[in-house]
Amino acid sequence: EVQLLESGGVLVQPGGSVRLSCAASGFTFSSYAMNWVRQAPGKGLEWVSAIIASGVTTYYAASVRGRFTISRDNSKNTLYLQMTSLRVEDMAVYHCATSSGDYWGQGTLVTVSS
Amino acid sequence: QSVVTQPPSASGTPGQRVTISCSGSSSNIGSNSVNWYQHLPGAAPKLVIYSSDQRPSGVPDRFSGSKSGTSASLAISGLQSEDEADYYCAAWDDSLNGYVFGTGTKVTVL
Repeated sequence: EVQLLESGGVLVQPGGSVRLSCAASGFTFSSYAMNWVRQAPGKGLEWVSAIIASGVTTYYAASVRGRFTISRDNSKNTLYLQMTSLRVEDMAVYHCATSSGDYWGQGTLVTVSS
Repeated sequence: QSVVTQPPSASGTPGQRVTISCSGSSSNIGSNSVNWYQHLPGAAPKLVIYSSDQRPSGVPDRFSGSKSGTSASLAISGLQSEDEADYYCAAWDDSLNGYVFGTGTKVTVL
């Protein structure tokens, strides 16, 4: 059974940092490009970042470029999102997903508040 | 604010057909394939259409997708109560060098 399990969601103050993890199982993680997608309260889905299967190339939404870093460890079947200089508008449920869209995690909540 | 727009809502009675539009531009829908996702509150989004008009295994054939120029659409025929959800289109955008989701459409079964 395919599983994507996010973790690391927390309450953090504006300006703070958080690292999210996404543990993958049930499929060949190292063969898939991966995305992070978020949904702020009362808002729609927003693509955040993507990384190709090898990890060599990354992509970012303009709203997070320079503050967020996506990475992966294929030996651990794990995807990461390092988030720094967090803003109130970054508060959201963060989902990891395969870039093909087939598999999604349930999400982890990041709350940014003083 | 998304560069891909959808109507905020759509509705129908059980058994009816509902169509959701997705309007983009030459840099996204006009040059790349479209995926459609069904999203229920608190759940993981579910892929219901990929490559603009292909249905993943397990998705009922009541769901169909099409694309023409810079627009795409999702049709749900024989509407059922379980289809009540938010629906999002999405495509890669060559200008933004990133993925873009549509603004989302809430489907209500009356």
